[in-house]
Amino acid sequence: DTEVTQTPKHLVMGMTNKKSLKCEQHMGHRAMYWYKQKAKKPPELMFVYSYEKLSINESVPSRFSPECPNSSLLNLHLHALQPEDSALYLCASRRVDRGNEKLFFGSGTQLSVL
Amino acid sequence: TQLLEQSPQFLSIQEGENLTVYCNSSSVFSSLQWYRQEPGEGPVLLVTVVTGGEVKKLKRLTFQFGDARKDSSLHITAAQPGDTGLYLCAGPVFNAGNNRKLIWGLGTSLAVNP
Repeated sequence: DTEVTQTPKHLVMGMTNKKSLKCEQHMGHRAMYWYKQKAKKPPELMFVYSYEKLSINESVPSRFSPECPNSSLLNLHLHALQPEDSALYLCASRRVDRGNEKLFFGSGTQLSVL
Repeated sequence: TQLLEQSPQFLSIQEGENLTVYCNSSSVFSSLQWYRQEPGEGPVLLVTVVTGGEVKKLKRLTFQFGDARKDSSLHITAAQPGDTGLYLCAGPVFNAGNNRKLIWGLGTSLAVNP
C-alpha cells in the first residue's frame, strides 16, 4: 500500500464555514506535510509534522489549523477562509531511503471559498 | 536564499518531438528531484539525482545532475501525449530551525499534442 488518501476530493465553503480536510497513510511514514498549490504553480509548504509533532509552520495564517491525531492521520481545520485561499491542498508523507527523502502525495482536495 | 530556476515555463510540442527542461541554481544541492504532476493529481516522484555528473534513465526520460551539483536537466525523447503534465524540480534545504524541507522550481507545463 503506497497511497496517501485525502478526503474530500472537492470542497466548496463559504467564508463563515468551518470545515476539515483529512489525510491518511498506512505506510508507516513518520513525517507528514500539508501543501497549498495554485494552478500550474509549484506546491507551497504549509506545515510539517514529524513523529506527530509540528516541526515546520511556514507562517501560515491562523485560519488554517493543522492536527496530527496519530502517525497515520493528518487533518487541516479551516475557519473563516478568504476567497484567495481557494487552491488545491495536498497532503504528503515522507520516506527516507539511504539518506534520500521521497515524498508521497495524495490526490489533493480542490477547495473553493465563496 | 536558495532558488531553483526552471525553464521553459510552458512548452507545447507535437507527439514524437524531443524536449529538454532545465533546473538551475547558483547554490549547491546535495540532491535534486524531479516530479511529474498530472491534472487532478498530486506530484509523483520520477527520480532523485545525488552525484555530480550523474545520468539516470527512466524509459524515454533522461535526467542529468550537473558536475557542480547546481543544476539538472530532464530530456524526453519522442514525447507522447501521456507525457503531458507539470514537471517540477525540487531540492532540499534547511530552514532557520535546522529542519529540512524542499524548495521547488516554478515548474514546466508540458503539453504534447497528438
